[in-house]
Amino acid sequence: GAGVSQSPRYKVAKRGQDVALRCDPISGHVSLFWYQQALGQGPEFLTYFQNEAQLDKSGLPSDRFFAERPEGSVSTLKIQRTQQEDSAVYLCASSLRTRDEQYFGPGTRLTVT
Amino acid sequence: DQQVKQNSPSLSVQEGRISILNCDYTNSMFDYFLWYKKYPAEGPTFLISISSIKDKNEDGRFTVFLNKSAKHLSLHIVPSQPGDSAVYFCAAESGAGSYQLTFGKGTKLSVIP
Repeated sequence: GAGVSQSPRYKVAKRGQDVALRCDPISGHVSLFWYQQALGQGPEFLTYFQNEAQLDKSGLPSDRFFAERPEGSVSTLKIQRTQQEDSAVYLCASSLRTRDEQYFGPGTRLTVT
Repeated sequence: DQQVKQNSPSLSVQEGRISILNCDYTNSMFDYFLWYKKYPAEGPTFLISISSIKDKNEDGRFTVFLNKSAKHLSLHIVPSQPGDSAVYFCAAESGAGSYQLTFGKGTKLSVIP
């Protein structure tokens, strides 16, 4: 079946612009995670959804970052007033149940100029 | 303060020999450990996992060993193949909380034909 998909794959934004990154998890997967991966680093946790409920947003770096999953399927990560330090790959992962292995999408590479 | 450490940024191994990738962790609450493999421009792909109630898990050419007292785990690949060349991430999960993964910085494995 289809894996996790993310769009766009690449995004260039001017500093101060708002961006929206989309994640389509594997169908039926309950849990959805967003991670941020800077160059040369491992992915770092941003936020977690169980169905439509955002149960943990402790990793979001500032109030400019906002995520939603209104119908418990597709999720959107929004970054307002982008800054250069927001440049990174944003990875989405889903898992069938809590504590199952997480399946990752290909990521969205965001470059803020 | 890195909770999951992969101290070797890179490793080169001859085809057919054993590859051993190491990982250390500091958080005693971690009870589930995973290895992911990542090719350039792709998301991490799940390889193998181990629960803290076990000390070994094997899947084909891949074996993960866990030493809880030393807070150390390792991934063995035998025999190594050129297609194994990738960046390998160690990740850990705590049962307390949102089941987010905490990643190391990765080890780049090069298998030389």
